[in-house]
Amino acid sequence: KAGVTQTPRYLIKTRGQQVTLSCSPISGHRSVSWYQQTPGQGLQFLFEYFSETQRNKGNFPGRFSGRQFSNSRSEMNVSTLELGDSALYLCASRALAGEVTGELFFGEGSRLTVL
Amino acid sequence: DAKTTQPPSMDCAEGRAANLPCNHSTISGNEYVYWYRQIHSQGPQYIIHGLKNNETNEMASLIITEDRKSSTLILPHATLRDTAVYYCIVRVDFGRPGNTPLVFGKGTRLSVIA
Repeated sequence: KAGVTQTPRYLIKTRGQQVTLSCSPISGHRSVSWYQQTPGQGLQFLFEYFSETQRNKGNFPGRFSGRQFSNSRSEMNVSTLELGDSALYLCASRALAGEVTGELFFGEGSRLTVL
Repeated sequence: DAKTTQPPSMDCAEGRAANLPCNHSTISGNEYVYWYRQIHSQGPQYIIHGLKNNETNEMASLIITEDRKSSTLILPHATLRDTAVYYCIVRVDFGRPGNTPLVFGKGTRLSVIA
């Protein structure tokens, strides 16, 4: 079974640009969450999507947005990039098929550098 | 904010058991204890979770104290590949979307030494 796939793995942007990151969850997983990881702030929750609807949102400005498609694939977008947006962006999926608990399965991440 | 306290770093000799402590003194009755680890430049990896009872799987054992205010993750025979940051997380989880998300603290950096 393929794991969580994130693309691109690495990218470089300049301030003011926008970026779109993609995440394909494990087959059958319907929930996708996004996290940002920086050396200073560690891992921080961005948002969670399920059935194409945002179900939970972290404390990030409106420049950070996401969406989920009918096949559960998800994208996140960051507009008007700032230097502080340089980070590893991690996507995680989980199965919610009647389980009491469902651990998160993370992808390898997309490393964004803003110059 | 993370609701757990972990030592920032630990060393362990290869082949010995690694015992990673975690304090969660404000844990609620319906909160689970989760452990994840993150090997350098990779995404976090789920290890184990528990509610009240001790748990064991192919990767590790989780020992939760009777009052549930602390726990210990045990890697029985640590290898160099176990060098990673280990995160202890507590959260309610009913397997539904929109649950309180996993809140990662700073974790414990475990270094396994040959």
